[in-house]
Amino acid sequence: QKEVEQDPGPLSVPEGAIVSLNCTYSNSAFQYFMWYRQYSRKGPELLMYTYSSGNKEDGRFTAQVDKSSKYISLFIRDSQPSDSATYLCAMKGTGFQKLVFGTGTRLLVSP
Amino acid sequence: EPEVTQTPSHQVTQMGQEVILRCVPISNHLYFYWYRQILGQKVEFLVSFYNNEISEKSEIFDDQFSVERPDGSNFTLKIRSTKLEDSAMYFCAIGQNSYEQYFGPGTRLTVT
Repeated sequence: QKEVEQDPGPLSVPEGAIVSLNCTYSNSAFQYFMWYRQYSRKGPELLMYTYSSGNKEDGRFTAQVDKSSKYISLFIRDSQPSDSATYLCAMKGTGFQKLVFGTGTRLLVSP
Repeated sequence: EPEVTQTPSHQVTQMGQEVILRCVPISNHLYFYWYRQILGQKVEFLVSFYNNEISEKSEIFDDQFSVERPDGSNFTLKIRSTKLEDSAMYFCAIGQNSYEQYFGPGTRLTVT
């Protein structure tokens, strides 16, 4: 079983749709959960991070962590064509610096 | 969001040659990292650097690799004898803590 699993997509949605992106993981030691956005041939851009379980909201983005299910989600409201990118989940354990990434989900938002 | 630049943006080298990839944080940070991403694959951790020493490294980071901060600002990754399989995007990341890691634009390394 991979440490972090993420559906590669692509996920195609019309502009204005609510997007749900998800990752599952196997390592129960993970405590920090991040979402990055990566445009083609660019570096990952940190969108938000969450510590342990719960929700966190930032503008149109909401991150959810369910540690009991080892499942994390990123919701994007009112999606825009400029949101078209690859979304990477990443996570790490307390006391570690290494981020473990998912493979990324490619999102396409059509006008 | 902290800024970091990386040079060069693209490096082409022959197998067996040494390469040095550079990262220049715009502001002071405590943590420095190198990651790589082979085309079509996930981002992989190589090494973290804190308090002027390696604090964590992956199994990928073998004796062919080294890191240093030669002048207190630049942060470099050296690959001593490049292999074809070292071809990848190499990303530097920085942060004030270990859970907010900000990535640079990357250096594309092509080994021929």
